[in-house]
Amino acid sequence: AQSVTQPDIHITVSEGASLELRCNYSYGATPYLFWYVQSPGQGLQLLLKYFSGDTLVQGIKGFEAEFKRSQSSFNLRKPSVHWSDAAEYFCAVGAEYGNKLVFGAGTILRVKS
Amino acid sequence: GAGVSQSPSNKVTEKGKDVELRCDPISGHTALYWYRQSLGQGLEFLIYFQGNSAPDKSGLPSDRFSAERTGGSVSTLTIQRTQQEDSAVYLCASSLTYGYTFGSGTRLTVV
Repeated sequence: AQSVTQPDIHITVSEGASLELRCNYSYGATPYLFWYVQSPGQGLQLLLKYFSGDTLVQGIKGFEAEFKRSQSSFNLRKPSVHWSDAAEYFCAVGAEYGNKLVFGAGTILRVKS
Repeated sequence: GAGVSQSPSNKVTEKGKDVELRCDPISGHTALYWYRQSLGQGLEFLIYFQGNSAPDKSGLPSDRFSAERTGGSVSTLTIQRTQQEDSAVYLCASSLTYGYTFGSGTRLTVV
């Protein structure tokens, strides 16, 4: 069965500092991987996705993620965090199109000025 | 519509009452999903509709939960005899290809 682990429940970074949010997945075949962001009181917004090909994927809002099959990881990165990036971030894994996504428990990002 | 619309945005109900939550997906999206997000928890899959196929109900937590999707469009999630543990945000998402579009959710509070 698919599963996703986000080891960090909370992360605090200073504005302007770099960010890396960790995601490890368990899946027997080539996974479809996603990062979503949820601001307070809002639904989830897709940041980026990986299906195949280049293992470094670019997303919206300056985020990128790297798929590392050997480590079963899909970590999210941003070179310089802005205060508006404070939110909760969810990693998700799925099989081929049409199957449900399995989400991690989320990482809450706090940005300090 | 331009996005996934859910109604109501907030619902307070008494324990034991039935509630209906509505999801209006993006026009043309063939797949529709319901998830539940409890305080401090991740997203829990509830049910999935794909076109005219039988829905995947494997995530429904009990027989008090049911959902239907009429005409391949609007979906209603029904919770019968609500319990306090049903309090959560219920999120709907739709998709045409990979990558869900989520609604803003319905916050259900059972008192």
